[in-house]
Amino acid sequence: ETVMTQSPATLSVSPGDRATLSCRASQSVTTNVAWYQQRPGQAPRLLIYSSSTRAPGIPARFSGGGSGTEFTLTISSLQSEDFAVYFCQQYNNWPPYTFGQGTKLDIK
Amino acid sequence: QVQLQESGPGLVKPSQTLSLTCTVSGGSISGAGYYWSWIRQSPGKGLEWIGHIYYSGTTYYNPSLKSRVSISQDTSKNQFSLKMRSVTDADTAVYYCAREDPSYCASPSCQGWFDSWGQGILVTVSS
Repeated sequence: ETVMTQSPATLSVSPGDRATLSCRASQSVTTNVAWYQQRPGQAPRLLIYSSSTRAPGIPARFSGGGSGTEFTLTISSLQSEDFAVYFCQQYNNWPPYTFGQGTKLDIK
Repeated sequence: QVQLQESGPGLVKPSQTLSLTCTVSGGSISGAGYYWSWIRQSPGKGLEWIGHIYYSGTTYYNPSLKSRVSISQDTSKNQFSLKMRSVTDADTAVYYCAREDPSYCASPSCQGWFDSWGQGILVTVSS
């Protein structure tokens, strides 16, 4: 099974600043990575798929990148509603689909 | 816009069977193009994919759960369901149903991401 490792576990950033979240795969997943946002008490919401393609309705301040084993999610100019937990998911080496353990984005 | 809603008991006794149903509105589970998945989330194991079903009735399961899990569908009600046998307290989690977009195809199968989720249902395993 492909293990997805996210870092850091918690990231404290000020509103208006840029945040970069990382996700590392234990083996190559090419560009088959998705990113999700989860706010407290809510289900995850799809942000990015195919490493860098924004899902419909997702603001342009969210961008993803990477290939192979290293991936990033960048949020430029953080808004109050962006403080949440973010998960990566690989769908290259299946079954099973696997998720990272999450990065919590905190207000600094 | 497709919407998914989980339903079922919130409390299950150890060794019994967990049964959940997902009702889909705004889209049909009978059409080709999407898989319909179950995913769970617990503090200890994070997000864990359980399995999915295709409109043809084809199912795939997480190998770690395969011996205890089955997913079925009722197209007349636009619902799909999860049964998990012999539960223990390790199965306590929030269970989500989700629509899966299988747009990445590497023969012989297609895989993808989860573009719509239900709100989730907390299932506690306890006597």
